[in-house]
Amino acid sequence: KQEVTQIPAALSVPEGENLVLNCSFTDSAIYNLQWFRQDPGKGLTSLLLIQSSQREQTSGRLNASLDKSSGRSTLYIAASQPGDSATYLCALTGANNLFFGTGTRLTVIP
Amino acid sequence: DAGVIQSPRHEVTEMGQEVTLRCKPISGHNSLFWYRQTMMRGLELLIYFNNNVPIDDSGMPEDRFSAKMPNASFSTLKIQPSEPRDSAVYFCASSLTAMGSSYNEQFFGPGTRLTVL
Repeated sequence: KQEVTQIPAALSVPEGENLVLNCSFTDSAIYNLQWFRQDPGKGLTSLLLIQSSQREQTSGRLNASLDKSSGRSTLYIAASQPGDSATYLCALTGANNLFFGTGTRLTVIP
Repeated sequence: DAGVIQSPRHEVTEMGQEVTLRCKPISGHNSLFWYRQTMMRGLELLIYFNNNVPIDDSGMPEDRFSAKMPNASFSTLKIQPSEPRDSAVYFCASSLTAMGSSYNEQFFGPGTRLTVL
């Protein structure tokens, strides 16, 4: 069974800092990897989707990479802002399931 | 685009009662997913539909849980009878393609917070 791990579980950074969130997985037979953010008491917002044949995707200040051979994905956030504070989850799509990591709770301090 | 719509947003009920959660997917999407989120287990896929047909319900915890999708614009998740351990946030998501596709980008609703007393 696919196991998805996100480290660290929580991260606090000062505003303006660049940061990297990590996601690791055990089974490289994936169809895609999706990064979400979840605000407290809210649903999940899709940030980026990387297809299995791709290595990275960019959207604004966000850049996500995928390395299937090492079972890792990173989400890079440039010039962090207080509005980026949320829980970030990675999720991997297999043949018939979507496996979520436990998330990294990010706090950007003004 | 209204996004995925779920109702109710909050539900408080007593043990043994029937609970019905509702979902309206994004128009044009052909796949619909039901998830449950708890502190202990995180996000878990319960069941998903493709073209209104249930494809995989292996995540449904017990026979007390059932889901239907009578048409492309509506789905229900029913718990009967409900138990306190069913307390969680239930999310519905939809996508344009089926699970297993590299283009399967899922869009989530705001969730229903269920509390069973």
